[in-house]
Amino acid sequence: AQKVTQAQTEISVVEKEDVTLDCVYETRDTTYYLFWYKQPPSGELVFLIRRNSFDEQNEISGRYSWNFQKSTSSFNFTITASQVVDSAVYFCALGRSGGSNYKLTFGKGTLLTVNP
Amino acid sequence: SQTIHQWPATLVQPVGSPLSLECTVEGTSNPNLYWYRQAAGRGLQLLFYSVGIGQISSEVPQNLSASRPQDRQFILSSKKLLLSDSGFYLCAWDRDTSLTITDTQYFGPGTRLTVL
Repeated sequence: AQKVTQAQTEISVVEKEDVTLDCVYETRDTTYYLFWYKQPPSGELVFLIRRNSFDEQNEISGRYSWNFQKSTSSFNFTITASQVVDSAVYFCALGRSGGSNYKLTFGKGTLLTVNP
Repeated sequence: SQTIHQWPATLVQPVGSPLSLECTVEGTSNPNLYWYRQAAGRGLQLLFYSVGIGQISSEVPQNLSASRPQDRQFILSSKKLLLSDSGFYLCAWDRDTSLTITDTQYFGPGTRLTVL
């Protein structure tokens, strides 16, 4: 069965602090996909990144970086020098590889509050 | 570019009344379409998905139904709303890619439904 665990329910930091959001997944598939989404107070889920299981290279996009480690089944997300606009709920999700199963398995989300 | 629309943005309905939420996608053809519900507490629950016109898969038993009358239109309905139907409803789409690839799901702005 697919499972995504985001153990941090809520995190509160002060602006300019670095913060890491944890994501641990479970799957028996050899090919799978991992995603991060941001949900600001407006509600819309905004896609941040997609990573397939064969690509363990870490990725950096501006202040955002992602650390994918298959050995520990983790796909952690770090925000460097956090800003108030980063305040949102962040979801990690796991997708299976094609076929008739198109469903994503979402974690329960981490509420990040960045205080000025 | 592709865009996804949902309406209405907010809705307040009495218990026992009918419901119709609409989702449309522009800029793509033959998308996969999804309905999610997010109740208080943040978890995302997949309700329905559709891989083509008239093809609907239901994930959980409930008093909701979905229909796909046109390629890029997805409708969520209920004949009689329950208090427990309150929540934030999100529509999403992804491309109908090959059987070996899972595409990224992109979400609409959502509809906030309150049943009184």
